[in-house]
Amino acid sequence: EAGVAQSPRYKIIEKRQSVAFWCNPISGHATLYWYQQILGQGPKLLIQFQNNGVVDDSQLPKDRFSAERLKGVDSTLKIQPAKLEDSAVYLCASSQGLAGRPTDTQYFGPGTRLTVL
Amino acid sequence: TQLLEQSPQFLSIQEGENLTVYCNSSSVFSSLQWYRQEPGEGPVLLVTVVTGGEVKKLKRLTFQFGDARKDSSLHITAAQPGDTGLYLCAGGNTGGFKTIFGAGTRLFVKA
Repeated sequence: EAGVAQSPRYKIIEKRQSVAFWCNPISGHATLYWYQQILGQGPKLLIQFQNNGVVDDSQLPKDRFSAERLKGVDSTLKIQPAKLEDSAVYLCASSQGLAGRPTDTQYFGPGTRLTVL
Repeated sequence: TQLLEQSPQFLSIQEGENLTVYCNSSSVFSSLQWYRQEPGEGPVLLVTVVTGGEVKKLKRLTFQFGDARKDSSLHITAAQPGDTGLYLCAGGNTGGFKTIFGAGTRLFVKA
């Protein structure tokens, strides 16, 4: 079974530039998550989708971050414009069950390491 | 705001030693998960505990959920270099739709 795919693996941009990350979850997984992991910290949930609907985006900085999951499969996360404090690893995860079941296993991708200069 | 505090932050030990890492909160969680994350990779789930006082074993790893479901511990017996990594605990609440991660314990096992 193929795992969660993310691209690119690394990205270096200057502040105020835009950047987009792509995630392909495990086939058939209903729930998709985007996390931000700053160096030395645990992952912080940015947005959670169930199929193509948003379940939780309470910690997404909506003035600069946006995400979509068209057709309930792939997802993209965009930052526009980027700030220095956005430097982090952006992790995508998927789980088989419906949102609201924290005991479900989340399968994580390798992440995209973003450096904002 | 629910928070999970993990201790210690860093741990460097010799191969063969035993160790325990902790995950504590002032809040009650309906479930607690432990993940291990290696450099350049995403976290991988090790175990989920849901019942207060529950103990689960995974080879040399023993996980315990506190009776009040506010804390958890991970004990590793006879650590090996392959155990090196970042150990994350994550708490969840049914209906809250959100998993909250601790900052992790970074473990280094020297051969």
